[in-house]
Amino acid sequence: GDSVTQMEGPVTLSEEAFLTINCTYTATGYPSLFWYVQYPGEGLQLLLKATKADDKGSNKGFEATYRKETTSFHLEKGSVQVSDSAVYFCALDSGGSNYKLTFGKGTLLTVNP
Amino acid sequence: DVKVTQSSRYLVKRTGEKVFLECVQDMDHENMFWYRQDPGLGLRLIYFSYDVKMKEKGDIPEGYSVSREKKERFSLILESASTNQTSMYLCAARRNGGAFSYFGPGTRLTVT
Repeated sequence: GDSVTQMEGPVTLSEEAFLTINCTYTATGYPSLFWYVQYPGEGLQLLLKATKADDKGSNKGFEATYRKETTSFHLEKGSVQVSDSAVYFCALDSGGSNYKLTFGKGTLLTVNP
Repeated sequence: DVKVTQSSRYLVKRTGEKVFLECVQDMDHENMFWYRQDPGLGLRLIYFSYDVKMKEKGDIPEGYSVSREKKERFSLILESASTNQTSMYLCAARRNGGAFSYFGPGTRLTVT
């Protein structure tokens, strides 16, 4: 079945540091890939997505590239801010009519000033 | 913007109680989902519904049931709450052909 493996946290960085959160997946077919973010006390928000190989999703300075050859969708940001402190989830949708998402376990990011 | 709302942000119930968690979406989306979120386990799908009165089991349906009598409302029911159902519950909605799912703010349920 489908699965998502993402980097174990927690990750603690200083402001303006470079961020990478690794995500790899196993899926049949050609999944769509997502990063969702959960700020403290809130639900999940879509951060970015990519629907086919070599697509790059980007939003709020975050980027991730859909790499079919390595089955990866790593999240990166060049300079993190305190306000980026949150839990980040990698997820996939393998298509079909039910639109189910398969999630990774989440990575807690804390950015210190 | 799609709004997905959940009836309670925090809920405390006793073991054995029947518990209803309500989710409402305002954009006529066909598909609705209930997930539970636990530390170290991520989000796991409990049930989903692709149309009124239609439902399918997700990965962890045991101990839960659902109801979808109207398109905009999807209820999660714990018939007899147990302490191992203490968790964060997240509802989501997605339209057919939509690019992604919208999530509600979550209900943190504690069963004592």
